[in-house]
Amino acid sequence: GAVVSQHPSWVICKSGTSVKIECRSLDFQATTMFWYRQFPKQSLMLMATSNEGSKATYEQGVEKDKFLINHASLTLSTLTVTSAHPEDSSFYICSGPGGRNTEAFFGQGTRLTVV
Amino acid sequence: AQSVTQPDIHITVSEGASLELRCNYSYGATPYLFWYVQSPGQGLQLLLKYFSGDTLVQGIKGFEAEFKRSQSSFNLRKPSVHWSDAAEYFCAVGARDSSYKLIFGSGTRLLVRP
Repeated sequence: GAVVSQHPSWVICKSGTSVKIECRSLDFQATTMFWYRQFPKQSLMLMATSNEGSKATYEQGVEKDKFLINHASLTLSTLTVTSAHPEDSSFYICSGPGGRNTEAFFGQGTRLTVV
Repeated sequence: AQSVTQPDIHITVSEGASLELRCNYSYGATPYLFWYVQSPGQGLQLLLKYFSGDTLVQGIKGFEAEFKRSQSSFNLRKPSVHWSDAAEYFCAVGARDSSYKLIFGSGTRLLVRP
């Protein structure tokens, strides 16, 4: 199946700083990628749809200015958590789009801890 | 809007016993359906998927699931559980429109008694 590489796998940052998470499709091109957030012992919640060459589409309740998404190329989408606070500590995971009769492929996830 | 319900927050079974995890969905048409498994601190692994055709689908690790349109369900089953199956299981619904968005259920934590 297709491979999605997410980096870093874990990161610890200080409160008030920004953190960038990369999501790369290694063997396919994607005009769309998805970003999810998972709090401990909870399900995955879709945060936004990353669109190559245009603005991301955010789900209701997700702060656009806090979670900056850039889809710079057909193989790279990035999520930047700006001015991170402890409540942003979570597991962030990206996926490719899936498609007609094709499942989405997920990255390995990034564990963010804000101290 | 699509939604997924997993009514069981956690289930405990004895090793060797059979397992059924429930999943009900809400969607305007027949969606794409998936089951994923997640071990603690790990990413997601796809167990099986349903797009169309045979409503009984076979997956990895001896899992199967049956799509029942009349009940809007896609329950996951395994005839004999192994201790290594202990994990969190997520049912997901995928839109058949161009968005291909996935909506996940709240998950069911499986505990396996030795």
